[in-house]
Amino acid sequence: GENVEQHPSTLSVQEGDSAVIKCTYSDSASNYFPWYKQELGKGPQLIIDIRSNVGEKKDQRIAVTLNKTAKHFSLHITETQPEDSAVYFCAASLYSGAGSYQLTFGKGTKLSVIP
Amino acid sequence: DAGVTQSPTHLIKTRGQHVTLRCSPISGHKSVSWYQQVLGQGPQFIFQYYEKEERGRGNFPDRFSARQFPNYSSELNVNALLLGDSALYLCASRGGPETQYFGPGTRLLVL
Repeated sequence: GENVEQHPSTLSVQEGDSAVIKCTYSDSASNYFPWYKQELGKGPQLIIDIRSNVGEKKDQRIAVTLNKTAKHFSLHITETQPEDSAVYFCAASLYSGAGSYQLTFGKGTKLSVIP
Repeated sequence: DAGVTQSPTHLIKTRGQHVTLRCSPISGHKSVSWYQQVLGQGPQFIFQYYEKEERGRGNFPDRFSARQFPNYSSELNVNALLLGDSALYLCASRGGPETQYFGPGTRLLVL
C-alpha cells in the first residue's frame, strides 16, 4: 500500500517568515495530493490540493509543488500569521477501483508562528 | 450549506462495550469515508461507502463495521471495544472524484 512520509514534525517560524513542509509518497499510481490544516479540537480542513498532471498550484499565501519523478510534494506558506498556527497534514490519494479513493496521510507537522 | 456533521461529539465507553457513531455528508454528496485519528498521528482510513455500497476497507479488524443509508448518511459500529480504540473518529464526504471534506469528528474514550 501507499506510504507517506512528512517532515518536519514541528516547525517554528517568526511572523512574516515563510514555512515549508515536505512530503514523499511511495506509490507512483497516486494521483491526487491534498493538504489539510487541523486546529485543536477540530476536524481537518482542506486548504489546497494538486493533481498529478500539475506541477504547481497557488492560492494567495499558500502554494503546493509536486515532483512526480521524485515522488515528493511540498507546501509553502508565505507571510505567515499567528492564525496559521496549527497541525498540517499532507495526503496522497490512490484510486483502488469501484469508486474507491483512499487517502493516506503523513504524520503531521505542528506549525507555530511566533508573533 | 451545512458541512459534514457527526454525532455525538464526545463519548466515553468501557472495554467490551459497543459504540455507534453517525455521520451526515454534505448535501448532494454520495460518498462517505471513515477515518481513525489517534492522538499525535494522521488519520487512518477505515471504510469508504459510495451509493450505499462498501467500496474500500482499511486494515482494521472485523470488530469495525459500517453502513450507508438511502439518504447517504452513515454509521460506524465498533464492537468489543479495546483501550486502543480511543481516538478521534472522522467522517469525510465526497461529491466528485477525489476531494474529501471532513467533519469535526467524534472523540471516543475507552476506559
